[in-house]
Amino acid sequence: ETGVTQTPRHLVMGMTNKKSLKCEQHLGHNAMYWYKQSAKKPLELMFVYSLEERVENNSVPSRFSPECPNSSHLFLHLHTLQPEDSALYLCASSQAPQETQYFGPGTRLLVL
Amino acid sequence: EDQVTQSPEALRLQEGESSSLNCSYTVSGLRGLFWYRQDPGKGPEFLFTLYSAGEEKEKERLKATLTKKESFLHITAPKPEDSATYLCAVAGTASKLTFGTGTRLQVTL
Repeated sequence: ETGVTQTPRHLVMGMTNKKSLKCEQHLGHNAMYWYKQSAKKPLELMFVYSLEERVENNSVPSRFSPECPNSSHLFLHLHTLQPEDSALYLCASSQAPQETQYFGPGTRLLVL
Repeated sequence: EDQVTQSPEALRLQEGESSSLNCSYTVSGLRGLFWYRQDPGKGPEFLFTLYSAGEEKEKERLKATLTKKESFLHITAPKPEDSATYLCAVAGTASKLTFGTGTRLQVTL
């Protein structure tokens, strides 16, 4: 595997389900990010981790819970989501914050 | 607060018809301006990083330029495979990138 990988690629869940999104980077980077992308909106930064510490949380609802166990892996735990949370969730990594970010293919999430 | 505005929102070109996409920005202490290409249902693909006014970078049919207020992505003799959404982002003193809404480019035969 090279670059940034994300699993699953597609996810359908009910509002009472709990699921997790996984991201892995093979670039040796120190910073990782979660973004939400909705139609006709700019990418919305959700969380930033640098050297495994959360450095930014953009007022994201608590039903989204990130976890960064090491510099190569990032998770987004989901619970009791709302239909408006349906979107493309993108993971990215960079050598450091403010530097060029490289994105994974995304997870297309549908909340019913 | 950093801001990025991209225009036009959508652009339709015929194959071979050159044009430019615009990215206007306001940022406190520019650390970098980034261009990405995004195909439907996929993650953004990195194209260029520009760091200072006057800088230019090229890759195949694409050329990115930077001034103190805006950046242009010039597309020379585009082909249908250049059809995608092109995203611009800036990094300022905050530890994050601010993205524009993108320009959706369609190149027809």
